[in-house]
Amino acid sequence: SAVISQKPSRDICQRGTSLTIQCQVDSQVTMMFWYRQQPGQSLTLIATANQGSEATYESGFVIDKFPISRPNLTFSTLTVSNMSPEDSSIYLCSVGGTGGETQYFGPGTRLLVL
Amino acid sequence: GENVEQHPSTLSVQEGDSAVIKCTYSDSASNYFPWYKQELGKGPQLIIDIRSNVGEKKDQRIAVTLNKTAKHFSLHITETQPEDSAVYFCAAYYNTDKLIFGTGTRLQVFP
Repeated sequence: SAVISQKPSRDICQRGTSLTIQCQVDSQVTMMFWYRQQPGQSLTLIATANQGSEATYESGFVIDKFPISRPNLTFSTLTVSNMSPEDSSIYLCSVGGTGGETQYFGPGTRLLVL
Repeated sequence: GENVEQHPSTLSVQEGDSAVIKCTYSDSASNYFPWYKQELGKGPQLIIDIRSNVGEKKDQRIAVTLNKTAKHFSLHITETQPEDSAVYFCAAYYNTDKLIFGTGTRLQVFP
């Protein structure tokens, strides 16, 4: 299985600011995914990031709010822009395939917006 | 649309007892069903998975069963231990394109 790290592990931010979360994988992967987990809730897919192409966003998530970069096959960033308290969540990076390939998750970034 | 229902939302058992968590999915084309365990402060960890060409899979104290006709799959943990306490999520692939997660089950194992 892939080893995934995320930075920062947690942060407290002021509303109106932006935070960029980094995801690093120890091997080259085609597909990287960003999820949001609101307090006490399940995981919701934000977007899928492929290297060399624009990220694909799920319904309810837009690029202006959650811009994503995927500069190479081992790294991705998710930015949470113009934050409000409703953005307080755990943000998770995962890697794996589609069509029945196993997905592995990073440790998550715990974000609190005041 | 895609949907994965999971029950129960909370489950308390005595150490040594068995625990069963059930999920139902809506997409008949789904062919892969993983289970994740999430401990406090950590990311989800894959504990077992099953593909649609088998009906049951076992790994030590953990087993998963799949009924494709009824679109049900279940996680069975035997001889539970306090370290099994965590939130468990089932998931199913939707349209062979993305994972849809259940709502989670908080399992508490009392010594």
